[in-house]
Amino acid sequence: GAGVSQSPRYKVAKRGQDVALRCDPISGHVSLFWYQQALGQGPEFLTYFQNEAQLDKSGLPSDRFFAERPEGSVSTLKIQRTQQEDSAVYLCASSPTANTDTQYFGPGTRLTVL
Amino acid sequence: ELKVEQNPLFLSMQEGKNYTIYCNYSTTSDRLYWYRQDPGKSLESLFVLLSNGAVKQEGRLMASLDTKARLSTLHITAAVHDLSATYFCAVGDTDKLIFGTGTRLQVFP
Repeated sequence: GAGVSQSPRYKVAKRGQDVALRCDPISGHVSLFWYQQALGQGPEFLTYFQNEAQLDKSGLPSDRFFAERPEGSVSTLKIQRTQQEDSAVYLCASSPTANTDTQYFGPGTRLTVL
Repeated sequence: ELKVEQNPLFLSMQEGKNYTIYCNYSTTSDRLYWYRQDPGKSLESLFVLLSNGAVKQEGRLMASLDTKARLSTLHITAAVHDLSATYFCAVGDTDKLIFGTGTRLQVFP
């Protein structure tokens, strides 16, 4: 069956540009998570949705980061006025029901800000 | 604040040998996950451990959890080259996972 998909897989942005990263979770999965993974590090939590409700955005590093999941399925992570420190792999994960379920990760979007 | 530490950070081992990766965490949690990541790829779920004393095995990998010691181990038996990857433990903290820094495993002939 289809897993979590993300697009684009690679994105190069000039400093100051806005970017939008898309996540398609596994069909029917209630919970959706965004993580940021810097080179050589473990993923770090950004935000969590249960259906369309954003229940936790404590990991978003600044107000330049915004995430939405308006219909409870596809999610978009938007980064405004990108900075070099935003360069990382952005991982999306989904889980079937409660947040205690195993999270299934997508392939990630590698963002490079020049 | 929950912190997760793994050691070693890097492990080079010969095929056929055994070794253990350790994952310590700083505050109480009832969920511990192990993931595998190949270079340039995403994370693959290996094990979910949900109770004290839990032990799970899959092939040459065995994971265990001691919630009292706040310690999980990932034991590798008779390593083979295909096990070369980075292994992460992650601890549940309310709605999110807190990941360790990873253990990069290289298995050589």
